[in-house]
Amino acid sequence: KAGVTQTPRYLIKTRGQQVTLSCSPISGHRSVSWYQQTPGQGLQFLFEYFSETQRNKGNFPGRFSGRQFSNSRSEMNVSTLELGDSALYLCASSPRGQVSSYEQYFGPGTRLTVT
Amino acid sequence: DQQVKQNSPSLSVQEGRISILNCDYTNSMFDYFLWYKKYPAEGPTFLISISSIKDKNEDGRFTVFLNKSAKHLSLHIVPSQPGDSAVYFCAAKETDKLIFGTGTRLQVFP
Repeated sequence: KAGVTQTPRYLIKTRGQQVTLSCSPISGHRSVSWYQQTPGQGLQFLFEYFSETQRNKGNFPGRFSGRQFSNSRSEMNVSTLELGDSALYLCASSPRGQVSSYEQYFGPGTRLTVT
Repeated sequence: DQQVKQNSPSLSVQEGRISILNCDYTNSMFDYFLWYKKYPAEGPTFLISISSIKDKNEDGRFTVFLNKSAKHLSLHIVPSQPGDSAVYFCAAKETDKLIFGTGTRLQVFP
């Protein structure tokens, strides 16, 4: 099976702009979660989508939003970018409904730099 | 407030010896714990997990220990190999989501 793919891998944006990141989960996985990784903060949970519905949300401002399509692909959008949004954004998929459903499979991430 | 803490940002171990990575948590409602390994330019990969009803789980060179009374878990790698050099994250399940620690960078030298 192909792994989780994320596009683009690298992105440079300017403050105030918006950005959309894409994630394609492993075939058959219906749950997609997004995380922000910054130095010293580890992986901060953004939100999770399952069957096109947001199931969980972390403590991030409303500028961060996402959606999931019927084929389980997911997009994350950040509006009005701030310098502090510079981070590695990771997407993870999991099968859910199985015993090992909390073993998430991560993509390589999108490195976002805001200047 | 960080519910899952990895207080050692880095660890250096000689090849062949034991690596012990530690993780502390504050929420007694966590019922499932996982360890992930991350290489540069790659996403984290699942390593090993443990349910709160157990105190030990072993998989090859990797063993995770859970001490619920101390709210502490540890990952033991024996013997350590240079290929184990990576950042290790512990994570805890809170209802339907995972809470990750800040990571420990392990370096295994010859």
